[in-house]
Amino acid sequence: AQKITQTQPGMFVQEKEAVTLDCTYDTSDPSYGLFWYKQPSSGEMIFLIYQGSYDQQNATEGRYSLNFQKARKSANLVISASQLGDSAMYFCAMREETSGSRLTFGEGTQLTVNP
Amino acid sequence: DARVTQTPRHKVTEMGQEVTMRCQPILGHNTVFWYRQTMMQGLELLAYFRNRAPLDDSGMPKDRFSAEMPDATLATLKIQPSEPRDSAVYFCASGLVVLQRTFFYEQYFGPGTRLTVT
Repeated sequence: AQKITQTQPGMFVQEKEAVTLDCTYDTSDPSYGLFWYKQPSSGEMIFLIYQGSYDQQNATEGRYSLNFQKARKSANLVISASQLGDSAMYFCAMREETSGSRLTFGEGTQLTVNP
Repeated sequence: DARVTQTPRHKVTEMGQEVTMRCQPILGHNTVFWYRQTMMQGLELLAYFRNRAPLDDSGMPKDRFSAEMPDATLATLKIQPSEPRDSAVYFCASGLVVLQRTFFYEQYFGPGTRLTVT
């Protein structure tokens, strides 16, 4: 079974608008962490934001916030006030307690910000 | 500005040749990862090391791939013999795992090595 599912292969958003990128996960571990990474066309992987399974509040980092709904097993990334430089591939990933340091990645969502 | 470095950035080789990719993790980081990215499979973990010891290499084809950390400043991934299906971008990442934050530690990725096997 897929551990991380990103159902949106591509998303489009107008500059300055907010956009939500979906991520659902599957785990039976009570302890886990959820990550979002950005991969621009240059290829590097850039860490954006982290949410722990026991964190009470949704994580925020600048214009990035994570809409964590534990019961639904979803960890959607919200980007506010989109910028042209936000155009990139976005990956959701999970680290489970029983998997040691292994990060499992979703297939990614290609975000395009239109001027 | 500490970064993970990888060499070479691009490699084109013929099937059957040996390929060695190198990674210099960020100084002080105790965990090093090797990932492979392809269009078909996405990002896959091949292997990772903690304090230079291999902890998990279950994602790596054992017959042709090998990963080592000869010292704390160098990680290598070797393919021998290479095959066209090995064509991919290979990423190295490093992180510092401390007891108090075993879940959250950021993995810093290198720029990747784009391997093409013809």
